[in-house]
Amino acid sequence: EPEVTQTPSHQVTQMGQEVILRCVPISNHLYFYWYRQILGQKVEFLVSFYNNEISEKSEIFDDQFSVERPDGSNFTLKIRSTKLEDSAMYFCASSPRQLSNQPQHFGDGTRLSIL
Amino acid sequence: RKEVEQDPGPFNVPEGATVAFNCTYSNSASQSFFWYRQDCRKEPKLLMSVYSSGNEDGRFTAQLNRASQYISLLIRDSKLSDSATYLCAVNGDTGRRALTFGSGTRLQVQP
Repeated sequence: EPEVTQTPSHQVTQMGQEVILRCVPISNHLYFYWYRQILGQKVEFLVSFYNNEISEKSEIFDDQFSVERPDGSNFTLKIRSTKLEDSAMYFCASSPRQLSNQPQHFGDGTRLSIL
Repeated sequence: RKEVEQDPGPFNVPEGATVAFNCTYSNSASQSFFWYRQDCRKEPKLLMSVYSSGNEDGRFTAQLNRASQYISLLIRDSKLSDSATYLCAVNGDTGRRALTFGSGTRLQVQP
């Protein structure tokens, strides 16, 4: 079964450093998403991306965050100047078609630890 | 009122039991509803979409009650492997895809 893949599985970074999290969505999917989950808390939406542009973003997704699809397969989340509170699991997800009732399939996440 | 609310549990049930979880949502314009399961420190895995007419997948049955704004998940003949946290997820108005997750209900199936 096709799956969303994410790298790295664990990233440790000093506060203030930039970090890039990578995702390869399922190949025929059109919508891509980033979510995060702080330890012990709920999964929170960050951003969705379609047709090479952001289609929705949450209040969490401020100016320190950006997303990009640099080539035909990768989808990245960049955090420009990391803060301690950015420590979380970051999940990439994708969904197949335009209809909003299509379920989202999640990758196994990147654990980001900010020191 | 929280956007998506779930009883955190834990629900401790013996193998073979039937267990049901509810999830309430606040946005009456919500269009799409899903159940995910999440094992400790892992990604949410899609369990099933929830359709207006209700739907079943093996031992799992999902229902939607739009009037009362809740969805439910029924698990029959619980297995040890069903032990996990069950997350409900709701998206917003028509065309919006951002999922709002509940905090999850923890299920522990005991031998």
